Amino acid sequence: QSALTQPASVSGSPGQSITISCTGTSSDVGGYNYVSWYQQHPGKAPKLMIYEVSNRPSGVPDRFSGSKSGNTASLTISGLQAEDEADYYCSSYTSSSTPVFGGGTKLTVL
Amino acid sequence: QLQLQESGSGLVKPSQTLSLTCAVSGGSISSGGYSWSWIRQPPGKGLEWIGYIYHSGSTYYNPSLKSRVTISVDRSKNQFSLKLSSVTAADTAVYYCARSSYGVIGYWGQGTLVTVSS
Repeated sequence: QSALTQPASVSGSPGQSITISCTGTSSDVGGYNYVSWYQQHPGKAPKLMIYEVSNRPSGVPDRFSGSKSGNTASLTISGLQAEDEADYYCSSYTSSSTPVFGGGTKLTVL
Repeated sequence: QLQLQESGSGLVKPSQTLSLTCAVSGGSISSGGYSWSWIRQPPGKGLEWIGYIYHSGSTYYNPSLKSRVTISVDRSKNQFSLKLSSVTAADTAVYYCARSSYGVIGYWGQGTLVTVSS
C-alpha cells in the first residue's frame, strides 16, 4: 500500500488560486469516489475540508473545491487567504479496504 | 457534538507494547455506518492510517503494520483501543483516534504523543 503522491510544497499570493494534486492508482483514487482532503495547522489535528471528491462539510468556505480525473484528484483554493497557510493531505479508500494518505503538501501564502 | 479523547502511556520502551484508548462522548460507538480509526503522525512527517474497527468488532489494518496491531472496541464503555507490539523508535508519533466512514474522517481526537525510548 503506497502513499498517494502530492507535491511537497506549493505557494501563492493572497487572492490568487492554487491547486494541489494527489496521484494514486486505479486501486485507490481512480477506483473510488472516496477521496478526501484535510487541512492541518501546526500542532493541531487535521480538519476535513473536502469529502467524496468534491463535497464540502458544513462550515468550510466555498473557496475550497475538489475534483478528480482518472487516478489524480485535485484540491483548489481560490481567493487565497493568510489563514489558508497549512499542510494539506489527501486520502483515498482503497481496494484493500484500508484508506491511504498522501505525503502532504505545505501551502505557503506569500 | 461528538468528541474523542486519547489516553495512554506517553513513553514506551523499545520492544514493549504501546497501548492507547479513545473515549467517545456525544455519540454512541455502536452507531451504524461508521468505523473507528487510529492514525499516527511521526514528528515533522505525514499521516499514516493504522487501522479501524466497526462496532461489530470487524477490523481492517494497514498491511505494513498488520502483524503488530490490534484494535478492539468496548461498547459498554463507549471506547476503543489500540495495541502496537514490538515498538521501535520509528513508532514515535502523535497518535490520533477518529471516526471514519469509507476513509472519510469527520471527527478527530486532539492527538497524543507517544515516544519510544529507553
